[in-house]
Amino acid sequence: GAVVSQHPSWVICKSGTSVKIECRSLDFQATTMFWYRQFPKQSLMLMATSNEGSKATYEQGVEKDKFLINHASLTLSTLTVTSAHPEDSSFYICSARGAGGNSYNSPLHFGNGTRLTVT
Amino acid sequence: GENVEQHPSTLSVQEGDSAVIKCTYSDSASNYFPWYKQELGKGPQLIIDIRSNVGEKKDQRIAVTLNKTAKHFSLHITETQPEDSAVYFCAASPRSSNTGKLIFGQGTTLQVKP
Repeated sequence: GAVVSQHPSWVICKSGTSVKIECRSLDFQATTMFWYRQFPKQSLMLMATSNEGSKATYEQGVEKDKFLINHASLTLSTLTVTSAHPEDSSFYICSARGAGGNSYNSPLHFGNGTRLTVT
Repeated sequence: GENVEQHPSTLSVQEGDSAVIKCTYSDSASNYFPWYKQELGKGPQLIIDIRSNVGEKKDQRIAVTLNKTAKHFSLHITETQPEDSAVYFCAASPRSSNTGKLIFGQGTTLQVKP
């Protein structure tokens, strides 16, 4: 159980275009999803917290107008990288916690990530 | 905010030996500490976690210890196997967050030599 599916697994786009990444919880409902970014050989950096039915909460330094997050249902959150540039090339990973879990200490399950390359 | 430091950054052991990875955290109110294993090109996979009301937890060859006073926790892998080779991340969940977000350490690249 507790499977998080992310799509696409990789995408190449041209500079200036927008890219949408989907994150789905397959066998549980997720009131909260988190979006992380990971550069090669580095740690996971939290970008934003996605809450079902409300606005996302962004971490300091993350541009909310550039990284649009929508969490329209209990099983789907999307991250749209708008007007992408080469420096946005990275590994984007989503994670989700079940609706029934205590938010402080229930497991967080991760998708398999999306490799974005902006040319 | 919470800060998690992880050491070492790389660790090479011989198959069958033990591996230990250590993490410290700054927020004394943090109460949940998971460990993740990440293989190349994949997302992190939860391997074990510990809550602040427990000092040690074991699952077959993997164990985690927590010292709340010193604010550090460690991952112990015994009888290592080549398939244990991966990047391992510790994380902490700051109590100050009402969403249960995780703050990650820098990661440890473990290489198990056959």
